[in-house]
Amino acid sequence: SAVISQKPSRDICQRGTSLTIQCQVDSQVTMMFWYRQQPGQSLTLIATANQGSEATYESGFVIDKFPISRPNLTFSTLTVSNMSPEDSSIYLCSGEGLVNEQFFGPGTRLTVL
Amino acid sequence: QKEVEQNSGPLSVPEGAIASLNCTYSDRGSQSFFWYRQYSGKSPELIMFIYSNGDKEDGRFTAQLNKASQYVSLLIRDSQPSDSATYLCAVPPRVSAGGTSYGKLTFGQGTILTVHP
Repeated sequence: SAVISQKPSRDICQRGTSLTIQCQVDSQVTMMFWYRQQPGQSLTLIATANQGSEATYESGFVIDKFPISRPNLTFSTLTVSNMSPEDSSIYLCSGEGLVNEQFFGPGTRLTVL
Repeated sequence: QKEVEQNSGPLSVPEGAIASLNCTYSDRGSQSFFWYRQYSGKSPELIMFIYSNGDKEDGRFTAQLNKASQYVSLLIRDSQPSDSATYLCAVPPRVSAGGTSYGKLTFGQGTILTVHP
């Protein structure tokens, strides 16, 4: 199984600012994903991070708000731009294994004041 | 109908009992299924996957798959307080005849399990 790290683990940010979350996988994975999870809720997929090309966004999520990069097979970043309190959430990255299972990073807990 | 539905919780069982978690899915073409456990404040952790009809056992956990009825379940025997968590059922992309996959892992809404001493 892949081991995934994220940083920062948590942050408190001011409205209108941006935060970039980094995700590192210890081995090559085919697919990487970014999720958001509100307290007590299930996972909401934001986008699929594609290596060397633009991410594929889910309905309701746009590149201007959540730009994503994936320069290689083991690293991706998610930026939460022009933040508002509604963006307060836990952000998770994941990598896909050989049988389509996903391994998750520890998450980034974001609070926007 | 949601693509993946889990039995509504929360589910509370006494220590030592069997906890039964159920999940139904809408896509008859789905080939494999995953169960994740998520402790409060932690990220989801894969605990089981199953792709053949019948039972798959791993320690105290048994996954059961019935493709005809489109449900998958997770049984936890001899439940322990440390099993208290949210359990998520997930269905991966369907694999086409050409061997390519499309779509994303679809998660159920999760069932909160509490095992009380």
